[in-house]
Amino acid sequence: DAGITQSPRYKITETGRQVTLMCHQTWSHSYMFWYRQDLGHGLRLIYYSAAADITDKGEVPDGYVVSRSKTENFPLTLESATRSQTSVYFCASSEPRGTIEAFFGQGTRLTVV
Amino acid sequence: RKEVEQDPGPFNVPEGATVAFNCTYSNSASQSFFWYRQDCRKEPKLLMSVYSSGNEDGRFTAQLNRASQYISLLIRDSKLSDSATYLCVVTLNQAGTALIFGKGTTLSVSS
Repeated sequence: DAGITQSPRYKITETGRQVTLMCHQTWSHSYMFWYRQDLGHGLRLIYYSAAADITDKGEVPDGYVVSRSKTENFPLTLESATRSQTSVYFCASSEPRGTIEAFFGQGTRLTVV
Repeated sequence: RKEVEQDPGPFNVPEGATVAFNCTYSNSASQSFFWYRQDCRKEPKLLMSVYSSGNEDGRFTAQLNRASQYISLLIRDSKLSDSATYLCVVTLNQAGTALIFGKGTTLSVSS
């Protein structure tokens, strides 16, 4: 199916563990983004990527690592999970033409215990 | 100062009411502007783009004032289905670099 998908949808992990959130889009959009959403903070940008092998930090990158070896995939890794990283994570993609609409995945609800 | 600021609400209105949301942005270099809608526990979705000339989509009207760095969204004849959080969004340039979101304004429409 065309679109942008995130996996897993729900994840519980322990403090200190490494966890990877996956994001896959089928439109071949150039840009991909990772946001986290927390009560009181709204959506905050973690990392983004303008193309394969090009990534850049957003507002809250500490504790996260991204890669983009293929245009369609943009995984987000928490190297050593902390409780403060409990959040809902949204992946998005867009193409820098036209309305520049960003399409979001359904989100991953991550709980770090 | 937050780059994009919105009144968090909540706005509680009856069906049929007209409601207006305001948003200000701090970076005068911002070039593209949007309103997104987010339903509870769902992903944000584009509601409409915002242009300097103003634009309308059915019951929704968006306005942009670049001089004041101010964006608005007007919803006329509110429906129960309009209940959601409305997110004001800006980008710094036309190339589609990262969207900067406001915290959102919550609207609850009751019968």
